[in-house]
Amino acid sequence: GENVEQHPSTLSVQEGDSAVIKCTYSDSASNYFPWYKQELGKGPQLIIDIRSNVGEKKDQRIAVTLNKTAKHFSLHITETQPEDSAVYFCAARSNTGKLIFGQGTTLQVKP
Amino acid sequence: EAQVTQNPRYLITVTGKKLTVTCSQNMNHEYMSWYRQDPGLGLRQIYYSMNVEVTDKGDVPEGYKVSRKEKRNFPLILESPSPNQTSLYFCASSRGGTGGLNEQFFGPGTRLTVL
Repeated sequence: GENVEQHPSTLSVQEGDSAVIKCTYSDSASNYFPWYKQELGKGPQLIIDIRSNVGEKKDQRIAVTLNKTAKHFSLHITETQPEDSAVYFCAARSNTGKLIFGQGTTLQVKP
Repeated sequence: EAQVTQNPRYLITVTGKKLTVTCSQNMNHEYMSWYRQDPGLGLRQIYYSMNVEVTDKGDVPEGYKVSRKEKRNFPLILESPSPNQTSLYFCASSRGGTGGLNEQFFGPGTRLTVL
């Protein structure tokens, strides 16, 4: 069935370093790939997304890359700050129209 | 303020006692959805609704019911809760009927414990 694998499950970096979270998806017809950030005690919130006709998208310190051939996409956060600490979820829109979420990555940015 | 609200935020109940978690959005969104979040499993969709009176099963619908009588409300009903339904629940909404191509706005979550 449709599946999204996300790695790593936990990631700890020093403030100022970069963080990379990777996801692979199974449905080659997937055409939309959002990333959500979930802060403690809150619901997930969209931070960036990419559609299948684009290879890379950047918004200030965050960027997402998509490799359709390999069916994987990644979130890159540069110059990490303590407020970046949160759980991050990738997702892929399947050909049935549903969003399939990854398992989540807990990012800790140490001051 | 545009938002999705859920009530209650926390609930402890016992096996078999029917409960309802309410969800309401003020953004006039067509699409609404319920997810459960469990450690190591991410967010899994329970039910979704593309518009009023239109609902469908997600990936883990067993033991749950929903209704969509009004556009703004999408309650989640557990007729006979069991301990394996202990989880963190999120309601979400988005504009458009498919929900998969537009930003989903999530509520603050409901932490449910079934003893």
